Amino acid sequence: EAGVTQFPSHSVIEKGQTVTLRCDPISGHDNLYWYRRVMGKEIKFLLHFVKESKQDESGMPNNRFLAERTGGTYSTLKVQPAELEDSGVYFCASSQAAARVGTQYFGPGTRLLVL
Amino acid sequence: GNSVTQMEGPVTLSEEAFLTINCTYTATGYPSLFWYVQYPGEGLQLLLKATKADDKGSNKGFEATYRKETTSFHLEKGSVQVSDSAVYFCALSPFSSGSARQLTFGSGTQLTVLP
Repeated sequence: EAGVTQFPSHSVIEKGQTVTLRCDPISGHDNLYWYRRVMGKEIKFLLHFVKESKQDESGMPNNRFLAERTGGTYSTLKVQPAELEDSGVYFCASSQAAARVGTQYFGPGTRLLVL
Repeated sequence: GNSVTQMEGPVTLSEEAFLTINCTYTATGYPSLFWYVQYPGEGLQLLLKATKADDKGSNKGFEATYRKETTSFHLEKGSVQVSDSAVYFCALSPFSSGSARQLTFGSGTQLTVLP
């Protein structure tokens, strides 16, 4: 079974540009999460999809971040325009629908550097 | 709100030394507790978990016991190996009546094991 995949693995962009990150969850996982780790600090929650619906987006830092999950499969996270403080590692995770304490399976992350 | 406080790193040990990484949490109710590990160049992997008080999670020689009285979930291993060198994250998921919830992470502890 394929794990959670993320693309790209690294991205270097200039301030003001746009970047789109993609996450493919494990097949059949309805829950999809985005997290990020900035400057070696703790990993922070961004948002949670259940299928194609946003269940919780309380961690999204501002309106420069837009997440979508069309069709309830893969998800994209767009940052537009990117700022220096957006640099960090963006993780995606997925879990099964019915498990209350479902293990979240993480992807390898996308390392974003904004110059 | 929920929070996780984790032992500051980095931690450097010699092979076969005893490892403890402290983790304490603040949460309402009865959260589930996790340790995730990130090996160099890889994504986060679940190391072990515990879902109720006094549960002990174990995997790959690592153990952690859910202590509600001290709100702790310390990670231990009796004899570390060079291959255990990684970043370790303590995390919690709040109690839920049925649906999945986001993880709250500690800041991570970098472990380096020297031969």
